[in-house]
Amino acid sequence: SQQGEEDPQALSIQEGENATMNCSYKTSINNLQWYRQNSGRGLVHLILIRSNEREKHSGRLRVTLDTSKKSSSLLITASRAADTASYFCATGSGNTPLVFGKGTRLSVIA
Amino acid sequence: DGGITQSPKYLFRKEGQNVTLSCEQNLNHDAMYWYRQDPGQGLRLIYYSQIVNDFQKGDIAEGYSVSREKKESFPLTVTSAQKNPTAFYLCASSMIGGEPLHFGNGTRLTVT
Repeated sequence: SQQGEEDPQALSIQEGENATMNCSYKTSINNLQWYRQNSGRGLVHLILIRSNEREKHSGRLRVTLDTSKKSSSLLITASRAADTASYFCATGSGNTPLVFGKGTRLSVIA
Repeated sequence: DGGITQSPKYLFRKEGQNVTLSCEQNLNHDAMYWYRQDPGQGLRLIYYSQIVNDFQKGDIAEGYSVSREKKESFPLTVTSAQKNPTAFYLCASSMIGGEPLHFGNGTRLTVT
């Protein structure tokens, strides 16, 4: 069962621009996580936001969480060509395994 | 360096053969997971284990089997009963369920 749904499916921007990806989910959660996947590689954890948090920052990443709308957004500021990857949201609920969305493919053009 | 090692990176098998994918971690994590990823798709959970000698089915367990005899190891067998086994397989681990996952670099299995 796929809980998270990322939007858009694909995004292409110029280097230096900001990239915003959204994630919607269906049931109540304890936390929401964002991961990055470079082509042909495993996923790398980027940031975790708990259900009682509204916003979190890590370097050029900013994540927001709106539990009333069951949605989250990931903002990457001042994007670089190296940010080109797929980005996935995953929801955590209790001790159960994370449930992943289908991802957003980000292309940053130099 | 702590991490998860999946081997091999590429695996080719004939239809009808069972194949075992290796996953080893030295992070001292209790929980381990197997996900399957098809082109342009998200991750789908095959099996997971939260403690040695115990494991649970995920969303797409049919045609797969696992074992967890040691904390560090969680091999996945793709059996001949799996109808469409060609995919990218990812192993992951975490301290406990719901916490951030550490992933291996995957095994790409091609069955012809």
